[in-house]
Amino acid sequence: DAKTTQPTSMDCAEGRAANLPCNHSTISGNEYVYWYRQIHSQGPQYIIHGLKNNETNEMASLIITEDRKSSTLILPHATLRDTAVYYCIVRVFYNAGNMLTFGGGTRLMVKP
Amino acid sequence: DAGVIQSPRHEVTEMGQEVTLRCKPISGHNSLFWYRQTMMRGLELLIYFNNNVPIDDSGMPEDRFSAKMPNASFSTLKIQPSEPRDSAVYFCASTPATSGTDNEQFFGPGTRLTVL
Repeated sequence: DAKTTQPTSMDCAEGRAANLPCNHSTISGNEYVYWYRQIHSQGPQYIIHGLKNNETNEMASLIITEDRKSSTLILPHATLRDTAVYYCIVRVFYNAGNMLTFGGGTRLMVKP
Repeated sequence: DAGVIQSPRHEVTEMGQEVTLRCKPISGHNSLFWYRQTMMRGLELLIYFNNNVPIDDSGMPEDRFSAKMPNASFSTLKIQPSEPRDSAVYFCASTPATSGTDNEQFFGPGTRLTVL
């Protein structure tokens, strides 16, 4: 699976949009981009995933560049409860399972 | 559904003792994963099962670690003998699908293991 690069930490003001970047310049054509987050003392939580089209759900939007070498997770109106570590993961889907390899992630701090 | 259930939530034991961590996946899910999280190494996949069969155990650190899934609703991760460096939070996760892309993993609350 392709390696990802994320900033170690970011701050965001409550109510503002949080834009979390991820670089995956070695991504291959059949690899998806997944985002998970981990709130302190909890297990990771799935947010969103995509292949090449932009995606949106009730939690966030995922913007993938046309060359697919980078992506941005957008939390449109960040709240204090969005403070967490956000993991960007790039992986190929395997029929026998869907292993995730977690990197260091971005620690997002939402401030009042 | 109650989600993925793990027990115990906290375990404190002494070096050399056997430790058994338990996981109940979400009903109907057919893939189960065990992860370990430490400050130094982050979140690491240890082993995963598909339809109760171990598929990849390359992440299991050494022979002291073993995992079983005797049926679709129960899995154990055993450490024997335990060592202080095994101290970590152990997460279990399950996923419903073996095909398709909408196969997010659902994580349990974790078991915090401390080996003295």
